Amino acid sequence: QKEVEQNSGPLSVPEGAIASLNCTYSDRVSQSFFWYRQYSGKSPELIMSIYSNGDKEDGRFTAQLNKASQYVSLLIRDSQPSDSATYLCAVPVIGTGTASKLTFGTGTRLQVML
Amino acid sequence: KAGVTQTPRYLIKTRGQQVTLSCSPISGHRSVSWYQQTPGQGLQFLFEYFSETQRNKGNFPGRFSGRQFSNSRSEMNVSTLELGDSALYLCASSLGDYPYEQYFGPGTRLTVT
Repeated sequence: QKEVEQNSGPLSVPEGAIASLNCTYSDRVSQSFFWYRQYSGKSPELIMSIYSNGDKEDGRFTAQLNKASQYVSLLIRDSQPSDSATYLCAVPVIGTGTASKLTFGTGTRLQVML
Repeated sequence: KAGVTQTPRYLIKTRGQQVTLSCSPISGHRSVSWYQQTPGQGLQFLFEYFSETQRNKGNFPGRFSGRQFSNSRSEMNVSTLELGDSALYLCASSLGDYPYEQYFGPGTRLTVT
């Protein structure tokens, strides 16, 4: 089982719709979870961090965490064409006594259609 | 606050050569991590340096090495370049402790011919 799994997509949604991106992880002791957005040819940009079960909202973005089920999701409301990108889920993995190594999913490509 | 900077942004090298990439983290950040990104393998962790010490290492051959200086700037070196080393090399800056948020630089695009 991969440490962090995402559906590669593409996920196509019409402009103005809600895009739902999902991620599952295998390490039950993980305590922090991140969503990065990566435009083609650019580096990943941190857009959401979540540490507690439940929802965390930031503008049009909502991250949801369920530690019991080991999944984290990202909802994008009122999707815009500028949201078209690859979204990467990342989880710190314990190694050599620290959790400083981020393990990334393969990313979900989102396409927002006009 | 200035972001993470990486130099050079683009590099073309020949098989067998070596290359050194540089990364300057966000001011106050003591941790620098390096990743390799390719279309086929995604983002792969190379190593992490914290206070001049390698704290974590990924599954890459010994041709890949790095170091960190007292000002937290970091370099990574790849010796005896192979065609498969062509990739986007990203460095990420972090405070180095929980919750381990990392901020990426723009990357160095390395092409090996």
